[in-house]
Amino acid sequence: ELKVEQNPLFLSMQEGKNYTIYCNYSTTSDRLYWYRQDPGKSLESLFVLLSNGAVKQEGRLMASLDTKARLSTLHITAAVHDLSATYFCAVDQLGATNKLIFGTGTLLAVQP
Amino acid sequence: ETGVTQTPRHLVMGMTNKKSLKCEQHLGHNAMYWYKQSAKKPLELMFVYSLEERVENNSVPSRFSPECPNSSHLFLHLHTLQPEDSALYLCASSQGILGGTVDNEQFFGPGTRLTVL
Repeated sequence: ELKVEQNPLFLSMQEGKNYTIYCNYSTTSDRLYWYRQDPGKSLESLFVLLSNGAVKQEGRLMASLDTKARLSTLHITAAVHDLSATYFCAVDQLGATNKLIFGTGTLLAVQP
Repeated sequence: ETGVTQTPRHLVMGMTNKKSLKCEQHLGHNAMYWYKQSAKKPLELMFVYSLEERVENNSVPSRFSPECPNSSHLFLHLHTLQPEDSALYLCASSQGILGGTVDNEQFFGPGTRLTVL
């Protein structure tokens, strides 16, 4: 059974600081997704990582995928308050029905 | 907006009520999904429909009954729910159902916040 673990579950950081959220998964997968969710809002797709070594950047967020280590990271550079949200990683398996297995989420609070 | 809408946004119901959640996608996708998001738990996939056919039922109790009349609409009929069914119910859609291609990226609606008294 595919399991996805995120850490930390909660992250409080100051504006301007850097930090990394980790996403580990238990079985082979070549596809990993990062989503953002604001309170009371839907999930917004941030990144789709499709191969080993994939790195994508958008603004202050950068995501990477290491399929051999079964690890993805979401790195936050010089955090700003607007990045406060819950971040989810999700994994699916090549060829299977498009069934995303989500991590528990990381609640990020960026303090002024 | 993602092109996926859900109504109602909030719903309070008693355990003996019958209600329905509605999802509509305007993206021309062929697959639709229902997820349950409970407090402090990961999102759980409930149902998957592809071209109006159910392809996955993730061990969901029969008090939840999905319906997909066409590829743009998805319903979740609720009856005799329990308080532990209170959660955020999210609908999503994707172009297809085979995992692992960017075309099958899932787009989520805003969710329905359900409270069962």
